[in-house]
Amino acid sequence: ETGVTQSPTHLIKTRGQQVTLRCSSQSGHNTVSWYQQALGQGPQFIFQYYREEENGRGNFPPRFSGLQFPNYSSELNVNALELDDSALYLCASSLGLAEETQYFGPGTRLLVL
Amino acid sequence: QKEVEQDPGPLSVPEGAIVSLNCTYSNSAFQYFMWYRQYSRKGPELLMYTYSSGNKEDGRFTAQVDKSSKYISLFIRDSQPSDSATYLCAMSVRAGNQFYFGTGTSLTVIP
Repeated sequence: ETGVTQSPTHLIKTRGQQVTLRCSSQSGHNTVSWYQQALGQGPQFIFQYYREEENGRGNFPPRFSGLQFPNYSSELNVNALELDDSALYLCASSLGLAEETQYFGPGTRLLVL
Repeated sequence: QKEVEQDPGPLSVPEGAIVSLNCTYSNSAFQYFMWYRQYSRKGPELLMYTYSSGNKEDGRFTAQVDKSSKYISLFIRDSQPSDSATYLCAMSVRAGNQFYFGTGTSLTVIP
């Protein structure tokens, strides 16, 4: 059984650019959540996808958007990058909405210059 | 006020010590409580999960939840250098839904 994988591992962008981060959920998991973890902080919930539909969103602006595909993999898109978007972006997958356990990937480290 | 408060440390203990890590929270609707361990530059790894109040033990780890005080704890017995990591508490209102994390406590176990 493969775990949650994310790509790329590292990324450097400049302010105003757009970025797409990718996540492959653990086998059999249909729910994916995205979190932003700034340096020295705990992860903050961005949004969750269940069977290709958004199922809850945290306090992030609309320039943060996502997709979930039929194979349950997911993308996080961020438009008009700002310096404060520099963070570790974590993807977590779970078996379903009522499943309390979320399994995290290693994250994508984004640096915005 | 943050929904979840956690002392960031850092905490440094000798090998074999008992470690106590704590979080407080403000939202009485939280019912699901988790502890994650995060090594440097890695994703969080689930250690313990507890529903509502009570204790749960798994090997050297014990999680306690006191909903009346809005206080949760993680105890690590016989701490090992490999326990050196950042420990994050997390909680949610509904199973599998939005997790609210603490800032994490950095722990170093000295051989």
